[in-house]
Amino acid sequence: DGGITQSPKYLFRKEGQNVTLSCEQNLNHDAMYWYRQDPGQGLRLIYYSQIVNDFQKGDIAEGYSVSREKKESFPLTVTSAQKNPTAFYLCASVTGSYEQYFGPGTRLTVT
Amino acid sequence: RKEVEQDPGPFNVPEGATVAFNCTYSNSASQSFFWYRQDCRKEPKLLMSVYSSGNEDGRFTAQLNRASQYISLLIRDSKLSDSATYLCVSSSNTGKLIFGQGTTLQVKP
Repeated sequence: DGGITQSPKYLFRKEGQNVTLSCEQNLNHDAMYWYRQDPGQGLRLIYYSQIVNDFQKGDIAEGYSVSREKKESFPLTVTSAQKNPTAFYLCASVTGSYEQYFGPGTRLTVT
Repeated sequence: RKEVEQDPGPFNVPEGATVAFNCTYSNSASQSFFWYRQDCRKEPKLLMSVYSSGNEDGRFTAQLNRASQYISLLIRDSKLSDSATYLCVSSSNTGKLIFGQGTTLQVKP
């Protein structure tokens, strides 16, 4: 089955720890995007990658880092520099005509 | 000013009603537009792309007005199952995809 997966679904961390969220797709899409969603809010763009080994900052990149070493994978690291990391994180795989297909998301709680 | 703006609602309508949402965008270079549906605590799912000529999919109609820089979504004959948050998205010529904050629809029996 083609699709996009994110793991884990729920993640709990202590403040001061870095944490990496996984995003994998087998849709053969070149582009992948990371968003953050806070309760009652829309999606805000963190980072996006339109091709392997290249990525751009979105609107709220501070405190996050990404890599794109393989077409299928676009992991997001939430660093200790991110002031308010608790949120719902969504990864999307994007077609050439910009249609986005989302993974089920990871709910990160940092205490 | 936000790049993509929507009225957050909520829109409370009875079953069978027709409801319309608008979404404005500020970047005149925006090229592609979409409507997504998001259910509570779930990921967004693509509802429909928005074409310059307008497009229809069953009870849903989307339109684009480039002169006034807005897109619209019309839902006819609302069903209880249409209750969700509807998100509009625009893409720039650099590939950046920007979401509006979403409009909440609640269809009542």
